Amino acid sequence: GENVEQHPSTLSVQEGDSAVIKCTYSDSASNYFPWYKQELGKGPQLIIDIRSNVGEKKDQRIAVTLNKTAKHFSLHITETQPEDSAVYFCAASMHNNDMRFGAGTRLTVKP
Amino acid sequence: DGGITQSPKYLFRKEGQNVTLSCEQNLNHDAMYWYRQDPGQGLRLIYYSQIVNDFQKGDIAEGYSVSREKKESFPLTVTSAQKNPTAFYLCASSDTAGNTIYFGEGSWLTVV
Repeated sequence: GENVEQHPSTLSVQEGDSAVIKCTYSDSASNYFPWYKQELGKGPQLIIDIRSNVGEKKDQRIAVTLNKTAKHFSLHITETQPEDSAVYFCAASMHNNDMRFGAGTRLTVKP
Repeated sequence: DGGITQSPKYLFRKEGQNVTLSCEQNLNHDAMYWYRQDPGQGLRLIYYSQIVNDFQKGDIAEGYSVSREKKESFPLTVTSAQKNPTAFYLCASSDTAGNTIYFGEGSWLTVV
């Protein structure tokens, strides 16, 4: 089955700097790669996703890149703000019922 | 507002008791899911249902049971057979036509 690894587990940046979180997946059949943001005590919220027919997707300060050959994808957050502080999860799937999540990255943005 | 509602937010269970977590969605989604989240780990799938009156085991179904009698409801029962039930439980749903999974706000279950 699919296995997703996420790095780093914790990330601390200064406000205004960029943050990059990386994930690798094992199943070349996976074709959908969402990213979720989870604030303390709340459910994960989808912030951006990418499908395997696209190499990059951007939404304001957030972008995701996908390298299908290397089987890795990354989340990029530019001009970070304190409200970006949260736990971020990547995931990979071919079908909804086989979605696999990374272990999460705790991002801290220091003012 | 459209969304997924989980209740209760906090629940305490005594040893040997069964407890049921409620999940209701008004997104008109066909598929619903239950995930378990432990500290330092990603989300793990307990059960999922693609359609009313049908559900399938996920990766960690032992000690749990579900029902799907209505499209909008997917309750999870944590039975006494679940030896380590203390965790954060997340209900989710999706439109089977796409892959996007949306989550509720979660329920904390603690064994006392």
